[in-house]
Amino acid sequence: GENVEQHPSTLSVQEGDSAVIKCTYSDSASNYFPWYKQELGKRPQLIIDIRSNVGEKKDQRIAVTLNKTAKHFSLHITETQPEDSAVYFCAAIRAGFQKLVFGTGTRLLVSP
Amino acid sequence: DSGVTQTPKHLITATGQRVTLRCSPRSGDLSVYWYQQSLDQGLQFLIQYYNGEERAKGNILERFSAQQFPDLHSELNLSSLELGDSALYFCASSLDTNNEQFFGPGTRLTVL
Repeated sequence: GENVEQHPSTLSVQEGDSAVIKCTYSDSASNYFPWYKQELGKRPQLIIDIRSNVGEKKDQRIAVTLNKTAKHFSLHITETQPEDSAVYFCAAIRAGFQKLVFGTGTRLLVSP
Repeated sequence: DSGVTQTPKHLITATGQRVTLRCSPRSGDLSVYWYQQSLDQGLQFLIQYYNGEERAKGNILERFSAQQFPDLHSELNLSSLELGDSALYFCASSLDTNNEQFFGPGTRLTVL
């Protein structure tokens, strides 16, 4: 079945720096890749997603890139702010299958 | 607010007991997913229902069961509770599979 690896597990940056979180997946048939942000004690919230027919997607300070050949996708946050501090989860799912497989999460800390 | 509701918010019970967690999906969503998140852990997929029928099973224990009712709300039943069952239990819903999932606020279960 699908397996998603996520790195790094923790990431500390200074406010204004960029942050990059990387995920690799095992199932080449996976075609939907969402990213979730989870603040302490709160629900995971979808921040951006990408489908396999697109190589890159951007939404203000957040962007996601997908490399289908290498089977990896990355989250890029530019001009980080303290409120970006949270745990970020990547996930992957294969069309026709029901199970969204999550990565193990990255704890991002943005220091003022 | 994602539109997904979960009750109760908190639940404290003893080992050996049985509890029921309830989830109401967003209006129009047919799929309901249940996840378990232990302390500092990722999201573990438990089970998915689509329009009343079980669609996928993850690492759900035999002591756990779920169902989705005709009005599309779902219940997760946890029985013979053990200390290790203490966790946040999230419900998510989506219009269909392979679509973005919206998470509820979660139920924090504490087993003493």
